[in-house]
Amino acid sequence: GAVVSQHPSWVICKSGTSVKIECRSLDFQATTMFWYRQFPKQSLMLMATSNEGSKATYEQGVEKDKFLINHASLTLSTLTVTSAHPEDSSFYICSARGAGGSYEQYFGPGTRLTVT
Amino acid sequence: DAKTTQPTSMDCAEGRAANLPCNHSTISGNEYVYWYRQIHSQGPQYIIHGLKNNETNEMASLIITEDRKSSTLILPHATLRDTAVYYCIVRVAWDMRFGAGTRLTVKP
Repeated sequence: GAVVSQHPSWVICKSGTSVKIECRSLDFQATTMFWYRQFPKQSLMLMATSNEGSKATYEQGVEKDKFLINHASLTLSTLTVTSAHPEDSSFYICSARGAGGSYEQYFGPGTRLTVT
Repeated sequence: DAKTTQPTSMDCAEGRAANLPCNHSTISGNEYVYWYRQIHSQGPQYIIHGLKNNETNEMASLIITEDRKSSTLILPHATLRDTAVYYCIVRVAWDMRFGAGTRLTVKP
């Protein structure tokens, strides 16, 4: 099956710094990628949808200037958490949808961000 | 996308069938029913999906009622590794939106 990877798997950063998370589709071209956030004991919340080569669409309440998403190629999307604060500590998960009109979505393993 | 309702938690004995229900009474004709599961601190794993007919794969079976207002995911022989949160999602659009899910605990 299709594989999506994320890097890093976990990261600790200091308050006020920025951190970048990569999401890669390893064996297929992903025209659309999705970014989710999951707080402890809660469900996944969709943050934004990005299509290759265009600006991301953010969900209501998600600050686009704080969570910068770049989808520059068909196999890579990045999420940059700018000026991170402890409340941004969460589990960030990406997913990717292949080309050809497929509805299937493949999820990455997630990235645990801790802001101290 | 239609809203889904699932029990908060369920237990199942190892080796027995696990039947996880999902209500989606507002489902529309072109919306699929998807099931994913999430094992602790991992990304969601696809299980199965269907539109009208019952579906079966190597992991599970999906039974959809004739009126499509509810469905049941069946894990035929649950193992301890099936302990996870199971999400029932109804959608037609590209994005996948997760509800609270059912926490299934398989007990020895």
